[in-house]
Amino acid sequence: DSGVTQTPKHLITATGQRVTLRCSPRSGDLSVYWYQQSLDQGLQFLIQYYNGEERAKGNILERFSAQQFPDLHSELNLSSLELGDSALYFCASSVVGIGEWAGADTQYFGPGTRLTVL
Amino acid sequence: GIQVEQSPPDLILQEGANSTLRCNFSDSVNNLQWFHQNPWGQLINLFYIPSGTKQNGRLSATTVATERYSLLYISSSQTTDSGVYFCAVEAGAGGTSYGKLTFGQGTILTVHP
Repeated sequence: DSGVTQTPKHLITATGQRVTLRCSPRSGDLSVYWYQQSLDQGLQFLIQYYNGEERAKGNILERFSAQQFPDLHSELNLSSLELGDSALYFCASSVVGIGEWAGADTQYFGPGTRLTVL
Repeated sequence: GIQVEQSPPDLILQEGANSTLRCNFSDSVNNLQWFHQNPWGQLINLFYIPSGTKQNGRLSATTVATERYSLLYISSSQTTDSGVYFCAVEAGAGGTSYGKLTFGQGTILTVHP
């Protein structure tokens, strides 16, 4: 158990719908990261938050958005869903993840949310 | 951006065999992690190893940062070692960075009893 929790574990929805994925980081971790794992693209970084502020963006679609709340949990919102959005979505957390040597700490991954768009 | 290549793409072993998985990366890195993705999809941290050598039970890893590669060694493999092994790196050499990990395509390991 990494200490990172994600809900729900599975989500099945229809094209055009909107869903929200939730992540609670490990106790004490200030940075939260979202990654997407799909068959064709592999594991890709989407976005990072540090202590409530967006810090880095990767290959995140405009239909997707995220935020980190004062209690440090994070939500990833996916809207106008398409078949190609079906994937495993991971949240990760780390202690720091910002500034010089920001990458110099371990990212711990949650169990993921498996999204199926029909 | 940084490129990460893992080899071999697939590996089939008999229980008890040893194996070496390789990760090549195209630029300097601040962070390098090895993960095991089990059949249920969970990504399990194995090592945080941007340089040097570490050991944890039957697993060990070595990263030679100057030559831009890392190796994961699995000894006396067990069926529970089956799954996908990923190498992930964060590009950088001391400058400001944000922890973004770039993953390789993975090595699919199958261990038969």
